[in-house]
Amino acid sequence: AQRVTQPEKLLSVFKGAPVELKCNYSYSGSPELFWYVQYSRQRLQLLLRHISRESIKGFTADLNKGETSFHLKKPFAQEEDSAMYYCALSDSWGKLQFGAGTQVVVTP
Amino acid sequence: DAGVIQSPRHEVTEMGQEVTLRCKPISGHNSLFWYRQTMMRGLELLIYFNNNVPIDDSGMPEDRFSAKMPNASFSTLKIQPSEPRDSAVYFCASSLMGGLNEQFFGPGTRLTVL
Repeated sequence: AQRVTQPEKLLSVFKGAPVELKCNYSYSGSPELFWYVQYSRQRLQLLLRHISRESIKGFTADLNKGETSFHLKKPFAQEEDSAMYYCALSDSWGKLQFGAGTQVVVTP
Repeated sequence: DAGVIQSPRHEVTEMGQEVTLRCKPISGHNSLFWYRQTMMRGLELLIYFNNNVPIDDSGMPEDRFSAKMPNASFSTLKIQPSEPRDSAVYFCASSLMGGLNEQFFGPGTRLTVL
């Protein structure tokens, strides 16, 4: 069965500190993984996708098939990074399975 | 472009009433998704359409829920009769068909069933 696990409901970090959001998945096929973000009073939006191997707003995520993980990292957190972050797994049709989400709070 | 449009933004109704949520996808997108978000269950996919055809409705919780997409620019999610446990935020999203394409989300409809 397809499953996405985000073990942390809340992550509180200081500005300038590194932040890592954990995501583990289970999927029988070749996974397509995404991170979506929802800032306060804004729509849920795509942050990055694993296939692009890109860094967006200083965030990166590496797919580790051995550990079935897709953790999101940023070396220096900023206050504007405070948001709800969702890890998501897609099948070939584009059907997304979301994790429970991690609320990130960056304090000055 | 206004993006995905949903209406109403807020709906308060009484148990037993019919509720209809509406969605207008981004022009040119051929996939449309309905999600429900609750504290207990997070974001759940209810149903999705490709080229106006329902592909997977396995997430629809009960027969009280139904969704239609009569054309490429409009979809509805109906709950009849509504129950208090249906209270949630309902999101619509659209994308170009295919697993790697970004889904664009609407602002959501916050439904409260008393």
